[in-house]
Amino acid sequence: DAKTTQPTSMDCAEGRAANLPCNHSTISGNEYVYWYRQIHSQGPQYIIHGLKNNETNEMASLIITEDRKSSTLILPHATLRDTAVYYCIVRVGNFNKFYFGSGTKLNVKP
Amino acid sequence: SQTIHQWPATLVQPVGSPLSLECTVEGTSNPNLYWYRQAAGRGLQLLFYSVGIGQISSEVPQNLSASRPQDRQFILSSKKLLLSDSGFYLCAWSGGKTGLSTDTQYFGPGTRLTVL
Repeated sequence: DAKTTQPTSMDCAEGRAANLPCNHSTISGNEYVYWYRQIHSQGPQYIIHGLKNNETNEMASLIITEDRKSSTLILPHATLRDTAVYYCIVRVGNFNKFYFGSGTKLNVKP
Repeated sequence: SQTIHQWPATLVQPVGSPLSLECTVEGTSNPNLYWYRQAAGRGLQLLFYSVGIGQISSEVPQNLSASRPQDRQFILSSKKLLLSDSGFYLCAWSGGKTGLSTDTQYFGPGTRLTVL
């Protein structure tokens, strides 16, 4: 019941922008899109979330399409420390239960 | 600021033995609390969540149980461990009287459990 689809893995050169896509075609009007990342053997780290407008914080930018059926997480200048599994999550129901899929393994290469 | 603790960090237990994992949150009150499990190479599976003391909801029927004896304490237990209980167990919190978005979940460092 993850409700999201992400590529299994992606490569990115160090210093370049990393663009991670996510499809959530069944998203409801009041459901937020969240992004987390998990570095090996650590707990997931919150990155950013949004409803319909694009969002930016110190870590990343989130671009949500106008129909809200997909989104892209952008890491503007990827570093080796950004190598991790990135999860795109859509909150389900009236309670903030998160269903994590398999995520995208981002490999940042020198 | 808020912090979340889990212990132990790692645990090796024989099949059939009991289990108790503890999670505590500091710096907030009345948080929502969650237990997740992550099998090797897989995504996170929500196991239990709690909106208050003594209030536990189970997401997946299994060999595990959860309890919330205090506002900021969440415990994951089993009477008899199975091999399939091995995994990385993560506790998370959200909401509470912190001024933060009530929907964002913040995760602890996790407990790696190996059942032999």
